[in-house]
Amino acid sequence: GAVVSQHPSRVICKSGTSVKIECRSLDFQATTMFWYRQFPKQSLMLMATSNEGSKATYEQGVEKDKFLINHASLTLSTLTVTSAHPEDSSFYICSALPRTSGGFQETQYFGPGTRLLVL
Amino acid sequence: GENVEQHPSTLSVQEGDSAVIKCTYSDSASNYFPWYKQELGKGPQLIIDIRSNVGEKKDQRIAVTLNKTAKHFSLHITETQPEDSAVYFCAATLSGSARQLTFGSGTQLTVLP
Repeated sequence: GAVVSQHPSRVICKSGTSVKIECRSLDFQATTMFWYRQFPKQSLMLMATSNEGSKATYEQGVEKDKFLINHASLTLSTLTVTSAHPEDSSFYICSALPRTSGGFQETQYFGPGTRLLVL
Repeated sequence: GENVEQHPSTLSVQEGDSAVIKCTYSDSASNYFPWYKQELGKGPQLIIDIRSNVGEKKDQRIAVTLNKTAKHFSLHITETQPEDSAVYFCAATLSGSARQLTFGSGTQLTVLP
């Protein structure tokens, strides 16, 4: 149980185009999902917190107009990198917090990541 | 906010030996401490976690210890195998708050055959 998928696993795009990455919780509902960015040999950097049915909360320094996040259902969150540039090339990872009846949330389950290369 | 420090950044051990990775945290309110293993090109996978109401937890070759007073926790891997080679991240958060995890900087573990 507790499987999170991401699609696509890797994408190559031209500079100036937009790219959408999907994050799905396959066997549980997630009221909260997180989006991270990871550069080679570095730790995970939190970009934003996504709550179902409400606007995402972005970390300081993350442009909300460039990284559009939508959490339209309890199993799906999307990250759209708009007008991508080579410096946006990175490994993007999502995680999901299972929804429980008691509202007790702690364990984040991570997706496999999406490798974005902007040419 | 929370700050998590992790040491060492790299660790090489011979197959069959033990490996220990240590983390310290700053926020005494944190009460949930997961450990993740990340293989190259993949997302992090939860390998073990511990809550602040216990001092130690073990799962086969993996164990985690927590010292609340000193605010540090450690990952212990015994009888290491080549497939244990990966990057390990510790993290801390306040359980039940849906607060984001604060990650350590990671440890590259290499198990030499």
